[in-house]
Amino acid sequence: GNSVTQMEGPVTLSEEAFLTINCTYTATGYPSLFWYVQYPGEGLQLLLKATKADDKGSNKGFEATYRKETTSFHLEKGSVQVSDSAVYFCALSQSRGSYIPTFGRGTSLIVHP
Amino acid sequence: NAGVTQTPKFQVLKTGQSMTLQCAQDMNHNSMYWYRQDPGMGLRLIYYSASEGTTDKGEVPNGYNVSRLNKREFSLRLESAAPSQTSVYFCASSTPGQSSYNSPLHFGNGTRLTVT
Repeated sequence: GNSVTQMEGPVTLSEEAFLTINCTYTATGYPSLFWYVQYPGEGLQLLLKATKADDKGSNKGFEATYRKETTSFHLEKGSVQVSDSAVYFCALSQSRGSYIPTFGRGTSLIVHP
Repeated sequence: NAGVTQTPKFQVLKTGQSMTLQCAQDMNHNSMYWYRQDPGMGLRLIYYSASEGTTDKGEVPNGYNVSRLNKREFSLRLESAAPSQTSVYFCASSTPGQSSYNSPLHFGNGTRLTVT
């Protein structure tokens, strides 16, 4: 079946540091890949997505590239801010069979001033 | 545009009590979902509804029932609450059609439930 594995957190960084949150997946075929962000006390919201190999999703300074050869979709940001402190979820959904998304367990990011 | 609205925001129950969590979306989405979120466990799907009139079990359906009342509303019922159901519950919806696989989920802000 499908699965998503994320690096465990929390990830603690100083403001303006470079961020990488690793995500790898197991799926058949060509799933769509997503990153969601959850701010404290809120629900998840879409951060970015990619629907085919080598696509790069980007939003709010965050980027992730769909790498089929390594089955990865790592999230990166060049310079984090305190306001980026949140929990980040990697997810996939399939084009065939059940479209129900599969989520990773989430990675907490804490950014200090 | 309200998106996905969940009520109540907070609830405390005693073991054995029942309650219904309400969810409504105003985006004309066909598919709706109920998840629970627990520390270290990520999101786990309880039930989902692919379209009005249909519901299906997810990963952790035991102890819950759902009703897809109409296209907008999808409720989750706990008939006899247990401490193991202490969690944060999220409702979500997604766009209609067979291309739903590349359409993101839209989440409500959650219901924080404590069962004592």
